[in-house]
Amino acid sequence: DGGITQSPKYLFRKEGQNVTLSCEQNLNHDAMYWYRQDPGQGLRLIYYSQIVNDFQKGDIAEGYSVSREKKESFPLTVTSAQKNPTAFYLCASKYQGRGYTFGSGTRLTVV
Amino acid sequence: QQQVKQSPQSLIVQKGGIPIINCAYENTAFDYFPWYQQFPGKGPALLIAIRPDVSEKKEGRFTISFNKSAKQFSLHIMDSQPGDSATYFCAASIEGGNTPLVFGKGTRLSVIA
Repeated sequence: DGGITQSPKYLFRKEGQNVTLSCEQNLNHDAMYWYRQDPGQGLRLIYYSQIVNDFQKGDIAEGYSVSREKKESFPLTVTSAQKNPTAFYLCASKYQGRGYTFGSGTRLTVV
Repeated sequence: QQQVKQSPQSLIVQKGGIPIINCAYENTAFDYFPWYQQFPGKGPALLIAIRPDVSEKKEGRFTISFNKSAKQFSLHIMDSQPGDSATYFCAASIEGGNTPLVFGKGTRLSVIA
């Protein structure tokens, strides 16, 4: 079955640590997106990529970094510069002219 | 101009009632308006979408009404069921290309038996 796989489902980060969230899709979609979800805040765009080796900052990119070396993969790194990283992170992909397909999310908690 | 404003923030209805969720946008270039349904701990799933060349679209118990002149669109859920209890997000984008969707802040719907 085609879809988007996010891993891990739960992730715990210590203060000052960088962590990487995985997002893999086998839908052959060109565009991929990372959103952050906080209660009452909706979905806020972190980064997106329309093609391999290219990506753009979203509304809340500070403290995050991404790479897009393969069409199937769009990992998100939460760096120590992100002061409030506890949130639910959602990855999505899109084929031109169609809606998003979302992964099942990663819940990141700072301990 | 990129915002999508969604209301209400939360909604409680009796089983069989018709909850209505409203969204308003500012960017007149938007031409694709989807609704997503999200259950706790899961990613959002596309529910129904509309383009501005029609004023209404129905899929099963879900209906989108679209008012281009007012720059508003709404989701109606007919004969609501407890299983419809979820968070609903409206969104908007320019359909051509892969520009990101802009999401509303969500409406938490509870359908009580």
